Amino acid sequence: GQQLNQSPQSMFIQEGEDVSMNCTSSSIFNTWLWYKQDPGEGPVLLIALYKAGELTSNGRLTAQFGITRKDSFLNISASIPSDVGIYFCAGLKFQGAQKLVFGQGTRLTINP
Amino acid sequence: DVKVTQSSRYLVKRTGEKVFLECVQDMDHENMFWYRQDPGLGLRLIYFSYDVKMKEKGDIPEGYSVSREKKERFSLILESASTNQTSMYLCASSSNPGTDNEKLFFGSGTQLSVL
Repeated sequence: GQQLNQSPQSMFIQEGEDVSMNCTSSSIFNTWLWYKQDPGEGPVLLIALYKAGELTSNGRLTAQFGITRKDSFLNISASIPSDVGIYFCAGLKFQGAQKLVFGQGTRLTINP
Repeated sequence: DVKVTQSSRYLVKRTGEKVFLECVQDMDHENMFWYRQDPGLGLRLIYFSYDVKMKEKGDIPEGYSVSREKKERFSLILESASTNQTSMYLCASSSNPGTDNEKLFFGSGTQLSVL
């Protein structure tokens, strides 16, 4: 099955730094989503994007739906210890398909 | 608060055993999913269900089957467990089409080890 190419696979940063990660695909998606998985838990939805070029924020998180509809970006500003976890991008090709395609995940580690 | 509950957090089974992973959601969602999560591979869809007694194969259904006898419960079955099925298994649900159905709610996961 198709997967999205998510990078980087892991990040080690200092508290307070900004974080950027991205997701790319060879095909077009109509919806992009970003999930976060805390250690020992299931993923939780952070941001959903529905239009090419759309920029959406959720607190210190900002995500963008690429204008080519083949990529998406997630930025975290001024990282804090609770940002630790695995971040997944996910794409949906059309409504009702019910089959999200997930990226490989970005594992974020923060040094206090 | 919405809740997807997986019956076991950790399971250890032997090769060849029949394994049942149970998942229950309390949100009256039509759609339920089983994923497996492996390092470097992300989440891969095993099976999903749009309604009671309905099931469809995902991307990696081989070696698995599912059962959905009631709307709130979706079971994943490993008919004869093998070591390559050692993984984290995540159950998820989502609501009716047309109402944010792409937004999945996940359980906490079951870490299965097959020895």
